[in-house]
Amino acid sequence: AQSVTQPDIHITVSEGASLELRCNYSYGATPYLFWYVQSPGQGLQLLLKYFSGDTLVQGIKGFEAEFKRSQSSFNLRKPSVHWSDAAEYFCAVGARNNDMRFGAGTRLTVKP
Amino acid sequence: KAGVTQTPRYLIKTRGQQVTLSCSPISGHRSVSWYQQTPGQGLQFLFEYFSETQRNKGNFPGRFSGRQFSNSRSEMNVSTLELGDSALYLCASSLAGPATGDTQYFGPGTRLTVL
Repeated sequence: AQSVTQPDIHITVSEGASLELRCNYSYGATPYLFWYVQSPGQGLQLLLKYFSGDTLVQGIKGFEAEFKRSQSSFNLRKPSVHWSDAAEYFCAVGARNNDMRFGAGTRLTVKP
Repeated sequence: KAGVTQTPRYLIKTRGQQVTLSCSPISGHRSVSWYQQTPGQGLQFLFEYFSETQRNKGNFPGRFSGRQFSNSRSEMNVSTLELGDSALYLCASSLAGPATGDTQYFGPGTRLTVL
């Protein structure tokens, strides 16, 4: 069965520090991979997505993610976190002819 | 281009009532998907409509239904509301639908509270 796991429910980092949010998936087919961000009371905004090709994907707001097929992972990274990055982050996985599945989310707190 | 809009933004109902939520997709988008977001279950897929036809459905009871109009606007209906239906209901639109890997654009959601 297809599933998405975000192992970290809550992460706290200091402003200016680097960030890595983990995402692991289980899918039978070649997946489409997404990272979304949700600010309080808002809908989801797409940060980046991976379909094929280069396994390192650049997104908006300085985020990037790397697809590692051997580890079934699609971790999100940012070299220097800003206070405005505090939000909830969702990894999502889809595949041809399947609906999209979301991870449980990781809440990011940024310390000044 | 205007984004996805959802109305109303907030709704309070009592158990046993029914509710209708509305979603207007981005112009030109033919696919509309609905999701339920709760603290306990996270984001769960309800259903997807494409060109007025339900194309995919999640694992929700028949009390949850939807439809799509010829202008791609979509409504979802929940009948006989239960306390557990309290959630943020998100609508997302895309050109070809999530099963193609197409990017989905989300609306701000409708916060439904069932008392």
